[in-house]
Amino acid sequence: ETGVTQTPRHLVMGMTNKKSLKCEQHLGHNAMYWYKQSAKKPLELMFVYNFKEQTENNSVPSRFSPECPNSSHLFLHLHTLQPEDSALYLCASSQERDSLYHSYEQYFGPGTRLTVT
Amino acid sequence: AQKITQTQPGMFVQEKEAVTLDCTYDTSDPSYGLFWYKQPSSGEMIFLIYQGSYDQQNATEGRYSLNFQKARKSANLVISASQLGDSAMYFCAMRANSNYQLIWGAGTKLIIKP
Repeated sequence: ETGVTQTPRHLVMGMTNKKSLKCEQHLGHNAMYWYKQSAKKPLELMFVYNFKEQTENNSVPSRFSPECPNSSHLFLHLHTLQPEDSALYLCASSQERDSLYHSYEQYFGPGTRLTVT
Repeated sequence: AQKITQTQPGMFVQEKEAVTLDCTYDTSDPSYGLFWYKQPSSGEMIFLIYQGSYDQQNATEGRYSLNFQKARKSANLVISASQLGDSAMYFCAMRANSNYQLIWGAGTKLIIKP
């Protein structure tokens, strides 16, 4: 496997279900991200992990729970979701350095298309 | 507050023509980076090009170039000799070097006509 992988690619779940999204990066990066992409809205950053430590949590509801066991894996645990949580969930990674001139570009996985019924 | 504005929700361009996608930004941070990403219908975000605020020259990557006008706070993406495979959503994003967050624009849907 190369790059950033995400499983599953598609997920349909009821509001009372519990499920998890998985992300794995094979790039040796030290930072990982969860984004939510809804139709007609800009990409929303949900969580940031740098060296396995959560550094950002952009006021995400507690029904979304991230887990980063190591710098290569990132999970998003879902429970009691709402229909408005239906969206494309994208995982990304980047190599963070203390350099003003480094581009810090993020590399994305293919996403998980989540539908909450 | 930091903000990215993409004023073109959609564009139709004839194949082989050049296309310019607009992006303006707002930040008070003196050090920042600007990014362009492509998102085909498959959903994956593909990094295209980067411009740092201190870079003296406009960034280029193959058929992609970034027209960086710092005083006007614009960072337009230019695609030369467009191809059918260029049809996709294009997103402009900015990151101030003081934090990890990328601020994203709403995107432009580009359709290349044969």
